[in-house]
Amino acid sequence: GAGVSQSPSNKVTEKGKDVELRCDPISGHTALYWYRQSLGQGLEFLIYFQGNSAPDKSGLPSDRFSAERTGGSVSTLTIQRTQQEDSAVYLCASSPQGRGEKLFFGSGTQLSVL
Amino acid sequence: GESVGLHLPTLSVQEGDNSIINCAYSNSASDYFIWYKQESGKGPQFIIDIRSNMDKRQGQRVTVLLNKTVKHLSLQIAATQPGDSAVYFCAENTGANSKLTFGKGITLSVRP
Repeated sequence: GAGVSQSPSNKVTEKGKDVELRCDPISGHTALYWYRQSLGQGLEFLIYFQGNSAPDKSGLPSDRFSAERTGGSVSTLTIQRTQQEDSAVYLCASSPQGRGEKLFFGSGTQLSVL
Repeated sequence: GESVGLHLPTLSVQEGDNSIINCAYSNSASDYFIWYKQESGKGPQFIIDIRSNMDKRQGQRVTVLLNKTVKHLSLQIAATQPGDSAVYFCAENTGANSKLTFGKGITLSVRP
């Protein structure tokens, strides 16, 4: 595809359930990022993957959050035992070189925890 | 801690006027800056970027100005159009890491 693809676009879940959010980056982009955007707020960094290097997990808010990137392409962000404060838009971005420059964002997954 | 922030939460301009969106940053080590536009229901879209070795960069109808002395970044939009209505974010990178730090965003509203 031409851009970063995220699925689902919307996810409603009950408190305590686990959710998985998927990201397909732009083909050939070595770097992949996850950000979280709460209502009316800026983007909060969660995790960063670059090639085969160990991911930068410094932004994950708790051990309920994890992410993996398989084969250097598709990534899955998993939130276990969801809480209401996890409700937000989860944005994925990729970039060709991973220097934290000119990230290309997907449209995000709107997560609502009831 | 280090932060990137925006002076005003909202900006309302008349269609056809020029818009200026301001951003302050606090990390003097930042050497790369970027502006994004986010329309409702969409992800942020790249507008323009600038490195710290420059103080001005122009694109199509947009100009980014960087004042390192006062750690200030601005985005100028010429002849603002209704399609420019969106939330605008500035972001920075120190170069020592590989992630962008974003400000909270400012809403630009264009009056017809």
